[in-house]
Amino acid sequence: QKEVEQNSGPLSVPEGAIASLNCTYSDRGSQSFFWYRQYSGKSPELIMFIYSNGDKEDGRFTAQLNKASQYVSLLIRDSQPSDSATYLCAVKAGAGSYQLTFGKGTKLSVIP
Amino acid sequence: DAGVTQSPTHLIKTRGQHVTLRCSPISGHKSVSWYQQVLGQGPQFIFQYYEKEERGRGNFPDRFSARQFPNYSSELNVNALLLGDSALYLCASSFLGETEAFFGQGTRLTVV
Repeated sequence: QKEVEQNSGPLSVPEGAIASLNCTYSDRGSQSFFWYRQYSGKSPELIMFIYSNGDKEDGRFTAQLNKASQYVSLLIRDSQPSDSATYLCAVKAGAGSYQLTFGKGTKLSVIP
Repeated sequence: DAGVTQSPTHLIKTRGQHVTLRCSPISGHKSVSWYQQVLGQGPQFIFQYYEKEERGRGNFPDRFSARQFPNYSSELNVNALLLGDSALYLCASSFLGETEAFFGQGTRLTVV
């Protein structure tokens, strides 16, 4: 059973701080990793993806991947109240795999 | 560019009825996946279709079926609805089956 684990939160950070969201996965053969943001009552929105070990930066977002530790994280710098949402970590296995396995999500609240 | 479009956005059905949900992928995308998301959980994979062929099936009963049409749009069918089928049904579009997936706005199904 492939599993993706996230701390459900809520994670509360003050406006302007760095929010750190973490995710672990059980399938060592996983190759692709995604972060989705989901506002209440809305559908998931893709914000970052990472395929290689290390860091990947896009604006205020940084995704970090450590395949040896089976760990992926998302950092949000200069957090804004509009970042308040549930963040879903999703993992796809190796070549030929089409299925995303999601964690339950971490609810982030950015306090003004 | 139009994103992934799903119809209807909301639906109320009675136990035992049948439902058909529809999805049009992003123009140029050849793969469509279906996910079910119940409140408080991450999306669960139901099906993936690529070039009109089923490429993956999640752990859902045979009451769930899907197909993809020559124009790459897709339908998800659910027979003999149960109360537990109440959920947000999400369609995701990707260029190839293994690349990044983008979600539509979802169909909120309520079974009473």
